[in-house]
Amino acid sequence: QKEVEQDPGPLSVPEGAIVSLNCTYSNSAFQYFMWYRQYSRKGPELLMYTYSSGNKEDGRFTAQVDKSSKYISLFIRDSQPSDSATYLCAMSANAGKSTFGDGTTLTVKP
Amino acid sequence: NAGVMQNPRHLVRRRGQEARLRCSPMKGHSHVYWYRQLPEEGLKFMVYLQKENIIDESGMPKERFSAEFPKEGPSILRIQQVVRGDSAAYFCASSPTGGDIGYTFGSGTRLTVV
Repeated sequence: QKEVEQDPGPLSVPEGAIVSLNCTYSNSAFQYFMWYRQYSRKGPELLMYTYSSGNKEDGRFTAQVDKSSKYISLFIRDSQPSDSATYLCAMSANAGKSTFGDGTTLTVKP
Repeated sequence: NAGVMQNPRHLVRRRGQEARLRCSPMKGHSHVYWYRQLPEEGLKFMVYLQKENIIDESGMPKERFSAEFPKEGPSILRIQQVVRGDSAAYFCASSPTGGDIGYTFGSGTRLTVV
């Protein structure tokens, strides 16, 4: 069983929709939770990170962590065609090595 | 600020040849990480280096793969006697210190073994 499982998608939504991207994990030692966005043929770009449980908001993006359920989510409000990309969750127990999910490909249709 | 620079962007090697992938971290960053991404899969950690030191190589295959980050110059990921299964995108990331959360990634080197 993988340490990090990510909803595989692909996901296709109309412009303006609210998008929910989710990951579950099994390693209780994880305490740092990141979301990366990766455009085709490019390297991942760090979107947001949170430490331990709770919510964090940055513009149209909200990251949620529920350590009791070992479940994290990324919400995108008012989705735009430019949000079309692959989203990767990542987790680490401490700084250094991160464990990534396999990614969810999102398409936002105009 | 040039970001994390990886070269070459694309590399084609025949089975049995050596592949050398180079990574120059962002200015001011002294910590480098290498990840491999197979088609339709997420990134898999390979190795974490600081200047002249390997901090964590728990993701490196035991044979044929090696990495270094010398005092001067880029970090090098070296794959000897490549096989078709080594075909993947190899990403390098860097951070200013070892205590940072999240990295800055380069655009990757796409290795194709024919």
